Amino acid sequence: EVVLTQSPATLSVSPGESATLSCRASQSDNSDLAWYQQKPGQAPRLLIYDASNRATGIPARFSGSGSGTDFTFTINSLEPEDSAVYYCQQRTVFGGGTKVEIK
Amino acid sequence: QVQLVESGGGVVQPGGSLRLSCAASGIDVTNFGIHWVRQAPGKGLEWVAIIRYDGRNKYNTDSVKGRFTISRDNSKNTVYLQMNSLRPEDAAVYYCAKDLGFWTSYYYMDVWGKGTTVTVSS
Repeated sequence: EVVLTQSPATLSVSPGESATLSCRASQSDNSDLAWYQQKPGQAPRLLIYDASNRATGIPARFSGSGSGTDFTFTINSLEPEDSAVYYCQQRTVFGGGTKVEIK
Repeated sequence: QVQLVESGGGVVQPGGSLRLSCAASGIDVTNFGIHWVRQAPGKGLEWVAIIRYDGRNKYNTDSVKGRFTISRDNSKNTVYLQMNSLRPEDAAVYYCAKDLGFWTSYYYMDVWGKGTTVTVSS
């Protein structure tokens, strides 16, 4: 079974700056990768699917890229509301998450 | 508006059983796969099971095989997770989530319920 390794574990960024998160798969599974945002006490929310497609209603400042085993998720112009844990996922496997903190 | 509402969580002793429900509105569950995903306290997300749109194809993660069963009642537009032989490590918030795909399963989950909490303790 594939293992998804996310890095860094925690990222602290100032408002208005960009945050770049990484997700590495232990084996290639083309581009079937999603990114989710989860805020404390809330259910996860789908942000990106197929590595780079934004889900319905997701702002353009959220973007994803990559294929094979290396994937990147970027948040541009960070806002305080972006403080959350972000998970990558391939089919039945989730990564361990990256916590994004706003300074 | 698509909505999923979980219920059935609670406190159960090790070895006990619970049945979780996921009531859907705004969609017909016969058109979409429905997943169960759980999150232990302070931990990450763990996929548990899926029942595909056709209702016949069902899969679950290895750690619950033989103990958890996913099923569906089309007349109630509701998906269930029957959990037997519960262990302390099954304690978690259980979410149901809708698959993005129509008459297919992409394993992308675009609508989630708020979750129901299962506590396994003596």
